[in-house]
Amino acid sequence: GEDVEQSLFLSVREGDSSVINCTYTDSSSTYLYWYKQEPGAGLQLLTYIFSNMDMKQDQRLTVLLNKKDKHLSLRIADTQTGDSAIYFCALSSNTGKLIFGQGTTLQVKP
Amino acid sequence: DGGITQSPKYLFRKEGQNVTLSCEQNLNHDAMYWYRQDPGQGLRLIYYSQIVNDFQKGDIAEGYSVSREKKESFPLTVTSAQKNPTAFYLCASSKDRVWGNTEAFFGQGTRLTVV
Repeated sequence: GEDVEQSLFLSVREGDSSVINCTYTDSSSTYLYWYKQEPGAGLQLLTYIFSNMDMKQDQRLTVLLNKKDKHLSLRIADTQTGDSAIYFCALSSNTGKLIFGQGTTLQVKP
Repeated sequence: DGGITQSPKYLFRKEGQNVTLSCEQNLNHDAMYWYRQDPGQGLRLIYYSQIVNDFQKGDIAEGYSVSREKKESFPLTVTSAQKNPTAFYLCASSKDRVWGNTEAFFGQGTRLTVV
């Protein structure tokens, strides 16, 4: 079945870049997403990329997709303390379901 | 304003009781989902519904039940058969386009605690 893997924790200093990685097994996904979850809240969509793209940039966010290696990454430039949260990658499956990774907790130190 | 609303935000249940979590959306979305979130385990799919009066089991459906009598509503009942119900429950909805953009919108969650 579909599987999505993320590392659980990342710590960076304020002003540095953060790179959150995600690997997956289902190569048929047409859309891949990054969601952000702040403590005690639901998930908010940050950005998404269509599977025929290699890169998408949206202000401080850069998404890179390597379909050959089934690897998705989210880069946050100039990371701020307000970026501290859990970040989830998610894929649309061929049944229309969204499959989520375990989430990466990003800790930003001042 | 369009959105998805979960209630209550906090819920306490005695062992052996059934409880129902509410989820309502006014986004005119066809698909609705229930996820359970435990620390370090990400989101696990409990049930999902792609159309009114139809729903499918997710990965951890045992001990849960749902109904989809209206497009806007997808309540989740946590039954006494669920052995470890204490968790954070998230409801989501999407336009449900297979092979299309299934961007999901989430509610703010319900934290259920068994006392």
